Amino acid sequence: SFEVTQPPSVSVSPGQTASIICSGDALPKKYVQWYQQKSGQAPVLVIFEDTKRPSGIPARFSGSSSGTVATLTISGAQVEDEADYYCSSTDKSGDHKLFGGGTKLTVL
Amino acid sequence: VQVVESGGGLVKPGGSLRLSCEASGFSVTRWNVNWVRQAPGKGLEWVAAIRTTGPYTSYAESLRGRFTLSRDDAKNSVYLQMSSLRSEDTAVYYCARDFGVPMTRGLITWTDGMDVWGQGTTVTVSS
Repeated sequence: SFEVTQPPSVSVSPGQTASIICSGDALPKKYVQWYQQKSGQAPVLVIFEDTKRPSGIPARFSGSSSGTVATLTISGAQVEDEADYYCSSTDKSGDHKLFGGGTKLTVL
Repeated sequence: VQVVESGGGLVKPGGSLRLSCEASGFSVTRWNVNWVRQAPGKGLEWVAAIRTTGPYTSYAESLRGRFTLSRDDAKNSVYLQMSSLRSEDTAVYYCARDFGVPMTRGLITWTDGMDVWGQGTTVTVSS
């Protein structure tokens, strides 16, 4: 299927590494994007095509993908990284985007 | 480079509403534009996309033909016409540009990401 699944929440202490996973049976054949959404704000693209970082996104954000699991890693998480994170991919046709349910990252 | 949504409001079940997405800093004739919505306290849901190449429009299957995209090149704007609205359509509706990398000869290599988002417009469907 072309669904993607995320854990509802992840917690880390400041300075630790946060890892958020996104799983889906189609991920070996599809790219994953990651979005950060802080409370009351629009989403921001932080990773595209599994591993690439758009201009302006801090280097502590990285992405990887292996088999049916993609991972967003925040190395040395900061308090300002506290947000909801969504993974996104596409369906079989590539014409329809889809999102995971989101993961709430708590940094405290 | 930005997009600004407008047109949200309160509408009764079964009613219609047209949302607008006005782009600046880029042309909607060269960049694909999406609509994404977020129900209160819920996650993101992709709604629809209008593209510069075929298929020119795509819609989430859950919408079942109730929503229609259009574009006004002169106003550099994209519109989402919503009809037969239901309470479950209540959400913040975001306009978002596809993330593309400009190449030579005016071509753009598209990714599956969306890099420019508006602040959203709120649609409330309630009697």
